[in-house]
Amino acid sequence: AQTVTQSQPEMSVQEAETVTLSCTYDTSENNYYLFWYKQPPSRQMILVIRQEAYKQQNATENRFSVNFQKAAKSFSLKISDSQLGDTAMYFCAFMKDSNYQLIWGAGTKLIIKP
Amino acid sequence: DTGVSQDPRHKITKRGQNVTFRCDPISEHNRLYWYRQTLGQGPEFLTYFQNEAQLEKSRLLSDRFSAERPKGSFSTLEIQRTEQGDSAMYLCASSSTGDGSYEQYFGPGTRLTVT
Repeated sequence: AQTVTQSQPEMSVQEAETVTLSCTYDTSENNYYLFWYKQPPSRQMILVIRQEAYKQQNATENRFSVNFQKAAKSFSLKISDSQLGDTAMYFCAFMKDSNYQLIWGAGTKLIIKP
Repeated sequence: DTGVSQDPRHKITKRGQNVTFRCDPISEHNRLYWYRQTLGQGPEFLTYFQNEAQLEKSRLLSDRFSAERPKGSFSTLEIQRTEQGDSAMYLCASSSTGDGSYEQYFGPGTRLTVT
């Protein structure tokens, strides 16, 4: 069975700083997808960034980028120039190629301080 | 497009009562998912539909839980004989097989409190 581990329950940084959230996963699959989702307080889950396991190039979306290390089964999220609106729970999630259910980590609460 | 909607947003019920939640996906999405999220945890997969067919169910979905998507559009999740352990946020998401992104779009959730 697949598992996703986020080892940082909570992180706090100053506005404009760079922060990296960690995620590791365990799977015997070769083809899969990894996601970072953001859940702001009292608001719905939204996708931040995704990575296909067959792609070696790390995904980037504006201030958000990932460091995908397939052999190490690691998928960290880097947020550059952090903004107050980045304050949220961040969840790492895994999806096998053959089905569509997301397996989630426990989340990291990120607080951006002014 | 208004996104995924869920109704009600909050539900308080007494133990032993039945409750039903509704999810309206993004109109062109053919896949619909249900997840359960307890406080301080990540969501847990419950079940998913492709069109009207329920293709996968988690072992978390006991016989007290039933989900339907009768015409491949909206979906309902019913919990019979609710227990205090059912208290959680129930999230619905939808996606399209056509865009190849595998992105799931989430609704705001229904928060269930069983007293």
